[in-house]
Amino acid sequence: AQTVTQSQPEMSVQEAETVTLSCTYDTSESDYYLFWYKQPPSRQMILVIRQEAYKQQNATENRFSVNFQKAAKSFSLKISDSQLGDAAMYFCAYRRDSNTGKLIFGQGTTLQVKP
Amino acid sequence: DVKVTQSSRYLVKRTGEKVFLECVQDMDHENMFWYRQDPGLGLRLIYFSYDVKMKEKGDIPEGYSVSREKKERFSLILESASTNQTSMYLCASTILGSRLYNEQFFGPGTRLTVL
Repeated sequence: AQTVTQSQPEMSVQEAETVTLSCTYDTSESDYYLFWYKQPPSRQMILVIRQEAYKQQNATENRFSVNFQKAAKSFSLKISDSQLGDAAMYFCAYRRDSNTGKLIFGQGTTLQVKP
Repeated sequence: DVKVTQSSRYLVKRTGEKVFLECVQDMDHENMFWYRQDPGLGLRLIYFSYDVKMKEKGDIPEGYSVSREKKERFSLILESASTNQTSMYLCASTILGSRLYNEQFFGPGTRLTVL
């Protein structure tokens, strides 16, 4: 069975600095998607970034980028120039079923941004 | 703007009560999901539905049932609420498709407390 592990329950970063959130996963499949979701204190979960496993190039969305290491089954999120609005819980997720879109989530990492 | 709404942000119920959590999406999505979110456990799938009147158990279906009479509405039912069902409940929806991103769109969540 596929699993997703986020080993950092809490992280903190100084405003304007860079922080990396870790995620590892376990799967025997070769084609899949990986996602990072953000859940701010208001609780509406939103998609931050996604990565297709068959693409070698790391995904980037403005200040957010990923380091996707397929062989190591690692999918970390880098936030550059951190802002106060980045403070949230971040979830790593693996899409396990191509038809239904079912996701497996990690435990979450709470990111604190210090002014 | 895509939208997933949930009937209540906060709900307090007594042990043994029957509880209904409602979710509505306006994106004409085929797939809808119910998760519960607990600290240190991330999001766990309770049930999902891939069409009207169609449903499938997730990872933790015990003590829950669901109903989907219309495409836009997906209800989670706690037949007899228990204190261990105190949690945050999140609804999500996504479009059907094997090669699409299958991003899930989330509702704001319902914080349920069972006394």
